[in-house]
Amino acid sequence: DVKVTQSSRYLVKRTGEKVFLECVQDMDHENMFWYRQDPGLGLRLIYFSYDVKMKEKGDIPEGYSVSREKKERFSLILESASTNQTSMYLCASSLETGALGQYFGPGTRLTVT
Amino acid sequence: AQSVTQLDSQVPVFEEAPVELRCNYSSSVSVYLFWYVQYPNQGLQLLLKYLSGSTLVKGINGFEAEFNKSQTSFHLRKPSVHISDTAEYFCAVTRAAGNKLTFGGGTRVLVKP
Repeated sequence: DVKVTQSSRYLVKRTGEKVFLECVQDMDHENMFWYRQDPGLGLRLIYFSYDVKMKEKGDIPEGYSVSREKKERFSLILESASTNQTSMYLCASSLETGALGQYFGPGTRLTVT
Repeated sequence: AQSVTQLDSQVPVFEEAPVELRCNYSSSVSVYLFWYVQYPNQGLQLLLKYLSGSTLVKGINGFEAEFNKSQTSFHLRKPSVHISDTAEYFCAVTRAAGNKLTFGGGTRVLVKP
């Protein structure tokens, strides 16, 4: 069975802290994605990666960076967390072609105080 | 670039009644279309997808959707809902053979007994 896991379900951090969100997939997928989900806005793409060490900015990359050192792992980094980054963060993966859709992890609800 | 509009942010419906969730998209190129469901405190799960061919697509849990190219719509339907269908539903689009999804704002379905 396909599986995407995220390191934390809930996270509380203080303003200015550096935050790491980890995502692991066991499907040998080429593509991995980070989204944030906010009420009424749906999912918005932060970054995606199409191969190890390769990344591309999504629609809202400001304030975020990513790292993909291994095919199965994709990390989202908030260099200096701010309160407007309080959100639900979802990781997803897919094969090289998007025709089969994306597989999502359970999400990390991040609160920045 | 593509965009997706889900016309209803919330849809209350009684158990065993039919439901229709509306989705319109805009794109200048051929697209793939998807519907995802998010149950409370979970990630997104693929319900169904349209890639090509028959415009009526059947998915899991008794859902179906119809692709209408002239109206650029991809509405989701279920003839008889259950309490367990209470969830948020997202319509998404990608250009054909692409791998980045653009999501609508989501529709919350509340099934009442």
